[in-house]
Amino acid sequence: AQSVSQHNHHVILSEAASLELGCNYSYGGTVNLFWYVQYPGQHLQLLLKYFSGDPLVKGIKGFEAEFIKSKFSFNLRKPSVQWSDTAEYFCAVNKGYSTLTFGKGTMLLVSP
Amino acid sequence: DTGVSQDPRHKITKRGQNVTFRCDPISEHNRLYWYRQTLGQGPEFLTYFQNEAQLEKSRLLSDRFSAERPKGSFSTLEIQRTEQGDSAMYLCASSPDTGFNEQFFGPGTRLTVL
Repeated sequence: AQSVSQHNHHVILSEAASLELGCNYSYGGTVNLFWYVQYPGQHLQLLLKYFSGDPLVKGIKGFEAEFIKSKFSFNLRKPSVQWSDTAEYFCAVNKGYSTLTFGKGTMLLVSP
Repeated sequence: DTGVSQDPRHKITKRGQNVTFRCDPISEHNRLYWYRQTLGQGPEFLTYFQNEAQLEKSRLLSDRFSAERPKGSFSTLEIQRTEQGDSAMYLCASSPDTGFNEQFFGPGTRLTVL
């Protein structure tokens, strides 16, 4: 069965620290990859997506992610986090127009 | 607001009662998805519509669950004879037919079964 694994359930960082959240998936073939974010009290929002082309994709708010096909990974990075990045982050995968398979999420707490 | 809307936002019910949730997708989106999210988990797929046709259902969707999308616009999700294990956030998402499958999520309906 297809699955998505997020390595850390909780991450605590100080402002200006660098962030990397791990995501691995188990799918064969061509996949679409997503990172969604859920800020406190808000609904899921798309942070960035990868369909094809350059494996380094840039999203909103300074986030980026790198698709490494050989490692089945799609890790999320940000060079310098802000207090406003405190949120839960979900990695998700699908093929074509199929439904999304999500990881369990990583709760990021950024202390000022 | 032209995003996905869901109603109600919160529902508290007693075990054994029936509940119905509504989702209004973004108007030009033909595809509509229902997901369920419990504490500490990511959203899990329940069912998916393209226009009015229900194309896929998860094994999570027991016989007590039914979803409809009459006329291919809004959708309803009904849970009959609710159980405490049904307590969760029920999320609706929509996506367009063209381009890639970027799904836009609504705020969810939080169900508590007492």
